[in-house]
Amino acid sequence: GNSVTQMEGPVTLSEEAFLTINCTYTATGYPSLFWYVQYPGEGLQLLLKATKADDKGSNKGFEATYRKETTSFHLEKGSVQVSDSAVYFCALTPMFSGGYNKLIFGAGTRLAVHP
Amino acid sequence: DAGVIQSPRHEVTEMGQEVTLRCKPISGHDYLFWYRQTMMRGLELLIYFNNNVPIDDSGMPEDRFSAKMPNASFSTLKIQPSEPRDSAVYFCASTPDRGVTDTQYFGPGTRLTVL
Repeated sequence: GNSVTQMEGPVTLSEEAFLTINCTYTATGYPSLFWYVQYPGEGLQLLLKATKADDKGSNKGFEATYRKETTSFHLEKGSVQVSDSAVYFCALTPMFSGGYNKLIFGAGTRLAVHP
Repeated sequence: DAGVIQSPRHEVTEMGQEVTLRCKPISGHDYLFWYRQTMMRGLELLIYFNNNVPIDDSGMPEDRFSAKMPNASFSTLKIQPSEPRDSAVYFCASTPDRGVTDTQYFGPGTRLTVL
């Protein structure tokens, strides 16, 4: 079946540190891949996405590259800020999803950035 | 646009009571989704609608849960009777089209506590 596995948190970093949150997936064919972010007390919002192999999604200094050969979509940022503290969800939409963009989420990784 | 609107933001009720959660999707979005978020199970899709019609309710946990969408701008999720294990954050999301690459836009959620 389709599934997403993320590294467990919490991830605790100092401001300006480099961030990597690992995400791997299991799916048939070529799913679309997403990173959503949930700030405290808010709903999820799309951070970035990639829809085909070798695509790189980027937004707000965050990047992730769709790696078909390793079935991965790791999230990276070169220099985190306190305001990046949130929960990050990796997700996929199966290639054959019955006619709608059914999102399958990972468990989420909490990031805490300290000054 | 105001985004997806949910009410109430917080609900505390006693076991056995009826609970109704409300959602107003973004205008023009044809798809509406209800999710439940818990520590144990993460984010789960409960049901989704297309053009006000329920399409897939396979994620609804049991008959105590029901959802309706009487028009394009309003949906409800009802739990009757409520139980402590229903305590969770319930999110509503909408999307304009069924493309697998489309972003889902989430509301801020309703935090439900059943005592």
